[in-house]
Amino acid sequence: DAEITQSPRHKITETGRQVTLACHQTWNHNNMFWYRQDLGHGLRLIHYSYGVQDTNKGEVSDGYSVSRSNTEDLPLTLESAASSQTSVYFCASSEGQSYNEQFFGPGTRLTVL
Amino acid sequence: AQTVTQSQPEMSVQEAETVTLSCTYDTSESDYYLFWYKQPPSRQMILVIRQEAYKQQNATENRFSVNFQKAAKSFSLKISDSQLGDAAMYFCAYRSAQKLVFGQGTRLTINP
Repeated sequence: DAEITQSPRHKITETGRQVTLACHQTWNHNNMFWYRQDLGHGLRLIHYSYGVQDTNKGEVSDGYSVSRSNTEDLPLTLESAASSQTSVYFCASSEGQSYNEQFFGPGTRLTVL
Repeated sequence: AQTVTQSQPEMSVQEAETVTLSCTYDTSESDYYLFWYKQPPSRQMILVIRQEAYKQQNATENRFSVNFQKAAKSFSLKISDSQLGDAAMYFCAYRSAQKLVFGQGTRLTINP
């Protein structure tokens, strides 16, 4: 069955370190998204991609970057982790049309000490 | 920019009763989609129901239905015959150009 996976599921790191969170989907979807979830804010969009070599900034992109070298993967990199980036991160993917649902990964809980 | 507001941080309901979760949004667009997602303690995001803005008829999925009021920019979720498995965070979301904008969420508790 097609799925979307994230790794690691839990990560603890130190302030200033570079961290990469992986997202892999086997739906063959063109669209992929990264969100962060914080109490009181719901999910907020960090970066998104509509296809290979395409990346776009979302609502809360400062301190994050993504690259899309193939259809299946959209890794999220924290260039220099900060305590404010402690959060739960969700990756999602969808097919082209707006009415299609986004399928979410299981989430990664990141703690920055 | 589009915004989505869920004004009820927490709600509770007796098992088998009906509960309505509120959602309002702000947009200048005429063509868009609205969704309700459920997030149980497992953290998995699960689509509950969707509504196309150009459709006047309210969407229904088994025990879940919406009251979509386009002019008022309101999109509430009604859960009938509440079950213990309905306990979760519920997020309202607005979608345009593939991107989702989420509300802050409502935590629903089911009392046995």
